[in-house]
Amino acid sequence: RKEVEQDPGPFNVPEGATVAFNCTYSNSASQSFFWYRQDCRKEPKLLMSVYSSGNEDGRFTAQLNRASQYISLLIRDSKLSDSATYLCVVNLNTNAGKSTFGDGTTLTVKP
Amino acid sequence: DGGITQSPKYLFRKEGQNVTLSCEQNLNHDAMYWYRQDPGQGLRLIYYSQIVNDFQKGDIAEGYSVSREKKESFPLTVTSAQKNPTAFYLCASSTRQGVQETQYFGPGTRLLVL
Repeated sequence: RKEVEQDPGPFNVPEGATVAFNCTYSNSASQSFFWYRQDCRKEPKLLMSVYSSGNEDGRFTAQLNRASQYISLLIRDSKLSDSATYLCVVNLNTNAGKSTFGDGTTLTVKP
Repeated sequence: DGGITQSPKYLFRKEGQNVTLSCEQNLNHDAMYWYRQDPGQGLRLIYYSQIVNDFQKGDIAEGYSVSREKKESFPLTVTSAQKNPTAFYLCASSTRQGVQETQYFGPGTRLLVL
């Protein structure tokens, strides 16, 4: 079993739709969590950190469920420009400072 | 402009050749990382360095080497021992705020084998 698992999709949604991605992680000692966005043939870029209380940034909402060991990303009112691959990242925050990346979920928003 | 730069953008390697990928950051970050990404796959950690003159192997270090002589620089050498080097190579650096350690990526280098 992978340490971080995501549904690879693809998710194909119309503009204006609401779409949600889930990500599960296996190490209960994980301390910090992130969502990154990666456009085709580009580097990943930080979308948002995920806090225990949940957090929102415009149309994007991230939530963490420690008991069930998953994080989620909700995108409301999808735009064409939201089309990308979304990577879930989990960090143990030990001195090693290593992050574990999921394989990503691909979203395509269509007109 | 603060950021992470990688060069070259594209690199071609011949059989049996060692090649070096450059990564420079002016963010004053202590930690730097090298990842490999294959098509349709996630990122896999090759090497990382928490401080100058120190580095550790990641999950797929075989066939690669690194150095960290300066805080700003973390070059990656792909040696001839790496039999399948064609991939997208990403360098990252990170900063820690409390318990959160956030990584920022360079634009990447695509390595192709001739």
